[in-house]
Amino acid sequence: AQSVTQLDSQVPVFEEAPVELRCNYSSSVSVYLFWYVQYPNQGLQLLLKYLSGSTLVKGINGFEAEFNKSQTSFHLRKPSVHISDTAEYFCAVTLRGSSASKIIFGSGTRLSIRP
Amino acid sequence: DTAVSQTPKYLVTQMGNDKSIKCEQNLGHDTMYWYKQDSKKFLKIMFSYNNKELIINETVPNRFSPKSPDKAHLNLHINSLELGDSAVYFCASSPDRRSWSGETQYFGPGTRLLVL
Repeated sequence: AQSVTQLDSQVPVFEEAPVELRCNYSSSVSVYLFWYVQYPNQGLQLLLKYLSGSTLVKGINGFEAEFNKSQTSFHLRKPSVHISDTAEYFCAVTLRGSSASKIIFGSGTRLSIRP
Repeated sequence: DTAVSQTPKYLVTQMGNDKSIKCEQNLGHDTMYWYKQDSKKFLKIMFSYNNKELIINETVPNRFSPKSPDKAHLNLHINSLELGDSAVYFCASSPDRRSWSGETQYFGPGTRLLVL
């Protein structure tokens, strides 16, 4: 069975500093990978996803993530964060060929931006 | 123009009561979901429906019963509420491609349930 690990439960960063949120996955078969963001008191929305092709994926709000198959990682990065990026970030995985319902979420990383 | 809406947004109730949460999507999607997010933000799928047919039921107590009157609506009824049911419940939807797991899911704003 697949699993997702987000090692950092909280990441405090100063405004305009770069940030990396880590995500590692475990699966015996090929996967699709996702990053979702949850702003305070809201539902989740998709930031970006990796399906195939280029391992560097660009998403909304200046975020990008890189798929590294050998390290089974899909870390999320942003070169310069803003106060508005304060949110909970979830990495998620599905197995290729399975149903979209079989999505597994990580435990989330809270990104807090300090002025 | 809310894509996925839920009512109510907040729900405070006593143990033992029965309550319902409603979800509607106007995206034309065929698949809808219910998720439970606990106090530690852990998100777990409960149910999934495709065009009114139940396709996922993830070891949820029988007290939870989803109902889909049509593909745009998925309601969640909870009987005999317990303290441990306190959580945020999210509805979501995705286009109908059950065989393709690369679908994006679109989430509602959540219903914050507090059982006293």
